[in-house]
Amino acid sequence: QPVLTQPTSLSASPGASARFTCTLRSGINVDIYRIYWYQQKPGSLPRYLLRYKSDSDKQQGSGVPSRFSGSKDASTNAGLLLISGLQSEDEADYYCAIWYSSTWVFGGGTKLTVL
Amino acid sequence: QVQLQQSGPGLVTPSQTLSLTCAISGDSVSSNSAAWNWIRQSPSRGLEWLGRTYYRSKWYNDYAVSVKSRITINPDTSKNQFSLQLNSVTPEDTAIYYCARGTAEFDYWGQGTLVTVSS
Repeated sequence: QPVLTQPTSLSASPGASARFTCTLRSGINVDIYRIYWYQQKPGSLPRYLLRYKSDSDKQQGSGVPSRFSGSKDASTNAGLLLISGLQSEDEADYYCAIWYSSTWVFGGGTKLTVL
Repeated sequence: QVQLQQSGPGLVTPSQTLSLTCAISGDSVSSNSAAWNWIRQSPSRGLEWLGRTYYRSKWYNDYAVSVKSRITINPDTSKNQFSLQLNSVTPEDTAIYYCARGTAEFDYWGQGTLVTVSS
């Protein structure tokens, strides 16, 4: 089982909100990890969006709008990326990452379609 | 403004060594607060962190378990750059290779180099 699991795809309408999940493998407690989120548009480099561990330990990437935010769901052992007020330009792949066992681990990514 | 400029061949023969270089401007490879990483991306493996080098009074390296026996990342302080060598490549190593700055978040990325392993 992968360390980080992300749904393959997500669809949402313009103006709506999107909720991305990044589920940590059983036995890896989401509470103790900083979850990092990246956005990658087709043909472009990954872009750092934000990191979230708790409300007192979070960071927004440079120039990243406040409609992008992070959270956690302890009940499902998942990190969350929330995007409000979806725009067509938000259509991209979204990756989560953690520093785990002295290695950076990425999730498989979720493709967001805004339609 | 930090810029990372990658160079190296786009085609490598199976069993040979993949070599890439990442030239840094706007920061120093010897920075006491940065780390210099190699990451690759392929449809089959997604984003995969390969390893990093960083300086904290002395040089350190960390490598991904999946490539640990085949990888070397070296700093070059005279040219303010760092390099990746991946030995004994197979077609499974075909990917876009990126260099990136980051101790935690990867905030600056090189332009990416598509490396194809093929005879």
